[in-house]
Amino acid sequence: GDSVTQMEGPVTLSEEAFLTINCTYTATGYPSLFWYVQYPGEGLQLLLKATKADDKGSNKGFEATYRKETTSFHLEKGSVQVSDSAVYFCALSAWYGNKLVFGAGTILRVKS
Amino acid sequence: KAGVTQTPRYLIKTRGQQVTLSCSPISGHRSVSWYQQTPGQGLQFLFEYFSETQRNKGNFPGRFSGRQFSNSRSEMNVSTLELGDSALYLCASSPATGPEQYFGPGTRLTVT
Repeated sequence: GDSVTQMEGPVTLSEEAFLTINCTYTATGYPSLFWYVQYPGEGLQLLLKATKADDKGSNKGFEATYRKETTSFHLEKGSVQVSDSAVYFCALSAWYGNKLVFGAGTILRVKS
Repeated sequence: KAGVTQTPRYLIKTRGQQVTLSCSPISGHRSVSWYQQTPGQGLQFLFEYFSETQRNKGNFPGRFSGRQFSNSRSEMNVSTLELGDSALYLCASSPATGPEQYFGPGTRLTVT
């Protein structure tokens, strides 16, 4: 079945450091890919999306490129802030329906 | 536009009881999906409704059920509650124009 694997955390960075969170997927067909962020006590917020190969999703300084050849969708940010501390989830939505398959989540901690 | 709303936000129930959770999607969204989030299993898909019909279902026992009304509002019901049903239940709605899903704040269910 479809699955998403993302790097284990927690990831601890200093403010203004470069962030990469790795995400790879297994799916039949051509899924859409997403990054969601969850702050303590809240639901999930859509951070960015990509719906086809080579698409780059971007939002709030975060970027991810849909790489079909490596089945990856790594999240990057050039300079993290303390306010970016949260749990980040990589997810896919298969071509056949509205069902999100999530990775396990990666905790990001940013220190000032 | 108002976001996805869920009620109640917190709920404490006793084992063996049943519970009903409610979700109001973003205006104009006709697809509503439900997810369960636990520390052990992560985010798991429960079911999806579109135009009052269940379109997709995850691997949960029959104690978990849902429905959607003509105004797209949705409810999920869990009967004969078990301790393992303690979780954050998240509702998400989708526009007709894309695969992304927008989440509500969730209902935190505690079964004692």
